[in-house]
Amino acid sequence: RKEVEQDPGPFNVPEGATVAFNCTYSNSASQSFFWYRQDCRKEPKLLMSVYSSGNEDGRFTAQLNRASQYISLLIRDSKLSDSATYLCVVTPYNNNDMRFGAGTRLTVKP
Amino acid sequence: DAGVIQSPRHEVTEMGQEVTLRCKPISGHDYLFWYRQTMMRGLELLIYFNNNVPIDDSGMPEDRFSAKMPNASFSTLKIQPSEPRDSAVYFCASSTTGTGWTSGNTIYFGEGSWLTVV
Repeated sequence: RKEVEQDPGPFNVPEGATVAFNCTYSNSASQSFFWYRQDCRKEPKLLMSVYSSGNEDGRFTAQLNRASQYISLLIRDSKLSDSATYLCVVTPYNNNDMRFGAGTRLTVKP
Repeated sequence: DAGVIQSPRHEVTEMGQEVTLRCKPISGHDYLFWYRQTMMRGLELLIYFNNNVPIDDSGMPEDRFSAKMPNASFSTLKIQPSEPRDSAVYFCASSTTGTGWTSGNTIYFGEGSWLTVV
């Protein structure tokens, strides 16, 4: 079993749609959680950190469920510019080895 | 501020040749990471340094791979001899406090070095 698993997609949604991605992780000692965004042929960039209480940044909402060991990302009112691959990232406690999921590909269409 | 700078951006080389990838981290960052990304395996951490000292190289695939950080502003990843299965995008990244739970911070990636070994 991979340490971080994501549905690879692709998710194809129309503009304005709401889309949700889930990610599961296997290491219960994991302490830091992030969502990164990677555009085609570009480097990954931080989208948002994920906090235990859940957090929101504009149209993006991240949730963490430690009991079930999963993280989610919700995108509301999708824009064409949201088209990218979304990487779930998990870091074990006191460790600098960020574990990346394989990514979920999103395409937002007009 | 300049981001993480990597060179070369693209390299095509023949099997058996030596490949050297270079990275300049963001000034003031004391952690430097080398990642490799392929379609099959996704993003994998190869090695990381803290204050120029290699901390964890367990991700380095084999002895053909080596990495150095002679000073705070420069690191190299060397593959010798290169093989076709080494074809991938190699990312260098840096951060100020690592990625542990206390940081809440993140790492900043360079644009990557696209390596093709034929």
